[in-house]
Amino acid sequence: EGQLVESGGGLVQPGGSLRLSCAASGFTFNTFDMNWVRQAPGKGLEWVSAITGSGGRTYFADSVKGRFTISRDNSKNTLYLQMSSLRAEDTAVYYCAKASAGRTLAALDYWGQGTLVTVSS
Amino acid sequence: QSALTQSASVSGSPGQSITISCTGTSSDVGGYNYVSWYQQHPGKAPKLMIYDVSYRPSGVSDRFSGSKSGNTASLTISGLQAEDEADYYCSSYTRSNSLVFGGGTKLTVL
Repeated sequence: EGQLVESGGGLVQPGGSLRLSCAASGFTFNTFDMNWVRQAPGKGLEWVSAITGSGGRTYFADSVKGRFTISRDNSKNTLYLQMSSLRAEDTAVYYCAKASAGRTLAALDYWGQGTLVTVSS
Repeated sequence: QSALTQSASVSGSPGQSITISCTGTSSDVGGYNYVSWYQQHPGKAPKLMIYDVSYRPSGVSDRFSGSKSGNTASLTISGLQAEDEADYYCSSYTRSNSLVFGGGTKLTVL
């Protein structure tokens, strides 16, 4: 059974930066595409970004394009989300999620417990 | 990319069946068979319940089923149980190489 554990959340000022990590275990990490999905307090799910297993292709929501970067270190079984120029509207719980075999932007079958990012002065 | 449209809430009594709809466009729901449904209990991470419109992951009860007609996908839960009370989200792959979620539907088991 796969497991994902996010870390790196916290309080950051508007305009600041933060890097989230997601440690994966229980599956062959480098063969699966990975996603970040966020959920603002009391709101619905919003897809943020995705990356292929090799790291060769990345995808971003328009709301974070140019401000967020997704990457992975397959030697460490770890996914990252580098967030910069943070805004109040980026405040959310950030989940990493694994895509099912053969898919990138669909069928997210393993999810972490989430890490809270709060953007406030 | 606009969020897919879901009704805000639905309710049903134990043993009954309910259906949650998810409406998109030909650029997402209607154009691809990559619709998924997720269940989320308060304070918990989402759980995949249906993928590729109508397929159930291993371990998901066969009381959950999915379908699609045109630009609208549907999730049906039969034999409602108390533990089904949760928020449900649909999602779809989009033509612009992104993933879009619905706004979520709160299911109340009366």
